[in-house]
Amino acid sequence: QKEVEQNSGPLSVPEGAIASLNCTYSDRVSQSFFWYRQYSGKSPELIMSIYSNGDKEDGRFTAQLNKASQYVSLLIRDSQPSDSATYLCAYGGATNKLIFGTGTLLAVQP
Amino acid sequence: DTGVSQDPRHKITKRGQNVTFRCDPISEHNRLYWYRQTLGQGPEFLTYFQNEAQLEKSRLLSDRFSAERPKGSFSTLEIQRTEQGDSAMYLCASSLARGRNEQYFGPGTRLTVT
Repeated sequence: QKEVEQNSGPLSVPEGAIASLNCTYSDRVSQSFFWYRQYSGKSPELIMSIYSNGDKEDGRFTAQLNKASQYVSLLIRDSQPSDSATYLCAYGGATNKLIFGTGTLLAVQP
Repeated sequence: DTGVSQDPRHKITKRGQNVTFRCDPISEHNRLYWYRQTLGQGPEFLTYFQNEAQLEKSRLLSDRFSAERPKGSFSTLEIQRTEQGDSAMYLCASSLARGRNEQYFGPGTRLTVT
């Protein structure tokens, strides 16, 4: 079992719709969870962090964490073509390194 | 506030040559990380420093790889006797030790070994 699992996509949504990105992880002691956005050829950009169960909202982004189910998700409301990118899920393990999934490619259609 | 910077941005080298990359973290960040990313994969942890101390190295890091952070500021990553399999994007990130481990990445160094 991979440590972090994400659907590679592509996930295609129309402009203005809600994009829902999902991630499961295997480490039950993980305390910190992150979503990064990565445009093609660029480095990852931190867009959300979440540490406790429930929802965390920041602008058009909402992260949801369920530690019992070992599941974290990212919702992007009012999706824009500029949101088209690969979204990487990561968790902080017992040490300070981040463990990343392989990413989900999001395509927002104008 | 300047972000994480890396130099060079691109490096093409021949197999068997040595290469060195530099990373300058965000100025107040005392943790510095190196990751490697290949096409279609997420970043893979290589090593990290807190101040000048190297606290963890990946078991995947062969002895051809070495990293330093001599004064607790910038860091260098050296790859000796490069192999074609070393071709990847080498990413540096930094964070605060007292924070929640939010890591901010630099632009990366893309290495191509021919």
